[in-house]
Amino acid sequence: NAGVTQTPKFQVLKTGQSMTLQCAQDMNHNSMYWYRQDPGMGLRLIYYSASEGTTDKGEVPNGYNVSRLNKREFSLRLESAAPSQTSVYFCASSDASFGTLRNTGELFFGEGSRLTVL
Amino acid sequence: GDSVTQMEGPVTLSEEAFLTINCTYTATGYPSLFWYVQYPGEGLQLLLKATKADDKGSNKGFEATYRKETTSFHLEKGSVQVSDSAVYFCALSVNKIIFGKGTRLHILP
Repeated sequence: NAGVTQTPKFQVLKTGQSMTLQCAQDMNHNSMYWYRQDPGMGLRLIYYSASEGTTDKGEVPNGYNVSRLNKREFSLRLESAAPSQTSVYFCASSDASFGTLRNTGELFFGEGSRLTVL
Repeated sequence: GDSVTQMEGPVTLSEEAFLTINCTYTATGYPSLFWYVQYPGEGLQLLLKATKADDKGSNKGFEATYRKETTSFHLEKGSVQVSDSAVYFCALSVNKIIFGKGTRLHILP
């Protein structure tokens, strides 16, 4: 019972390098999310996808791009990494469509990807 | 805008002590309220929720009551265990989920 799977779990990059974080869910959920978690900042929403084929910006989208490849997969790309993007990244999914999230509120999270940018 | 404020940690308690983690919110409309828990090295998972005023959410001995008059959703447990050591996040949802900054809880044996 995999749930939400993220890869890689750890990555070290140099400033200016690019990389893609992969996320896949096997729960047939409509909506998927990317968050970053920083000490003392809680979780901040980077991008979300309310349904297959749509993506929208969250609180902190600058420096990131996303692709909702199909219903299962939602990737996060850093085109030119910066030290400020050092963080732990979490992918999440929900069976609630955006706009009705208040009715369930349950997000299912992956285990996280720890990214360090030197 | 919508926001969640929760008590700063870390909170350190002895096993079997009573736990309260305060959470207050600001929201337009009528949010649902949640507590999520993050164990070391893991992602967040839903602990409990309440979808309307005066509802009480409960799970694993934890409880929280949705108080509209005080805009609060405090987390309580009567007797904590070492296994409860984790980071706890209060959250609200109107049409997207907004998280508080988290409270780290340490339980000493």
